[in-house]
Amino acid sequence: SQQGEEDPQALSIQEGENATMNCSYKTSINNLQWYRQNSGRGLVHLILIRSNEREKHSGRLRVTLDTSKKSSSLLITASRAADTASYFCATEKAAGNKLTFGGGTRVLVKP
Amino acid sequence: GAVVSQHPSWVICKSGTSVKIECRSLDFQATTMFWYRQFPKQSLMLMATSNEGSKATYEQGVEKDKFLINHASLTLSTLTVTSAHPEDSSFYICSAPPGQGRTEAFFGQGTRLTVV
Repeated sequence: SQQGEEDPQALSIQEGENATMNCSYKTSINNLQWYRQNSGRGLVHLILIRSNEREKHSGRLRVTLDTSKKSSSLLITASRAADTASYFCATEKAAGNKLTFGGGTRVLVKP
Repeated sequence: GAVVSQHPSWVICKSGTSVKIECRSLDFQATTMFWYRQFPKQSLMLMATSNEGSKATYEQGVEKDKFLINHASLTLSTLTVTSAHPEDSSFYICSAPPGQGRTEAFFGQGTRLTVV
């Protein structure tokens, strides 16, 4: 079963704007990961944040993790049309275990 | 970096036939492989975990006789959809978990199955 929810389910923004999406989960975790999926394609790993970390950056991506609220956010700054995709959070209860995915956020960046 | 190769990328089959999907780890050994299914505009749901040399572990509600999983070697795991029906049409994707120096999971490219 899905670990949690993502919101919004869909997001439409103009190129250059920031995109923020949130993920909530239900149980304790070892880490939380964010993935991107272009339509009908495989998953691309974006970033991993461990349970003892609160914030992580990678290029235009910023991820936060609040274990007390069991939530995470992904911020994409200065969005580009190429960022159009579905974004999924996934939690791992223990290292090397299965991933449990959130419902995903479909992001449309209009040029 | 580590690569997981999944084949075929898409397949169309007739109802009642069986389809085999292969997932290979190209430059590392995967003792475990996760198989996920994704319906259109939905999230990935774990179907089963394949383990090299032992029986696969299936998630609740997944029919083990319909979705046959074989992990014949340290580099190959296969999922066979038997007696396929249109409702089995979906995107199937495999994943090797972190391990042996890998800090993240690696996913295959996915297989789009359409049963007509």
